[in-house]
Amino acid sequence: DTGVSQDPRHKITKRGQNVTFRCDPISEHNRLYWYRQTLGQGPEFLTYFQNEAQLEKSRLLSDRFSAERPKGSFSTLEIQRTEQGDSAMYLCASCLGPYYEQYFGPGTRLTVT
Amino acid sequence: AQSVTQLGSHVSVSEGALVLLRCNYSSSVPPYLFWYVQYPNQGLQLLLKYTTGATLVKGINGFEAEFKKSETSFHLTKPSAHMSDAAEYFCAVASSGGGADGLTFGKGTHLIIQP
Repeated sequence: DTGVSQDPRHKITKRGQNVTFRCDPISEHNRLYWYRQTLGQGPEFLTYFQNEAQLEKSRLLSDRFSAERPKGSFSTLEIQRTEQGDSAMYLCASCLGPYYEQYFGPGTRLTVT
Repeated sequence: AQSVTQLGSHVSVSEGALVLLRCNYSSSVPPYLFWYVQYPNQGLQLLLKYTTGATLVKGINGFEAEFKKSETSFHLTKPSAHMSDAAEYFCAVASSGGGADGLTFGKGTHLIIQP
């Protein structure tokens, strides 16, 4: 069990650029979640996958955000035309079953200048 | 809809003193409840969880929490604080109704340990 990994750990980009983050869940976990955490706040749910199917999206996930999980393994989160308000920590979590014990990765800190 | 309220954005205790972090939740169905800890620039680590059964739950690092349905509370305690406990603590709730929605977190409590 190597834990949930995320890449990159830090990303600095200019406003208007596109960015993509990757999450590798714990290998036997079929559920994968994305959260966003801004300074001084708790994580906020963005979207969720069960295997390769994206089953739920928060209203926080604007049209500029897209997430995929091809083949039900790793997942990517893309933000198009980044805005300064997108600056945050993006957290990925995975879990095995229905008891919601989610294991979190270290996060990707995005700074939009 | 569900929500979590953590009373006190900052809590300061002396090393060796009792730690009490407060969490109240709102949920229309029986909840699953969690406490996570976050150290600077790191992800969240699960401290403990309540799903069903015994209402007093023991977790890692000497922490425990008690689910009180009548008070809609899930407060986190530790008898004796250590310097290494200084971190951000988050209470979270999930629905037990079989849905696949993510966790709803409180805003967090920053625990400060005074030497």
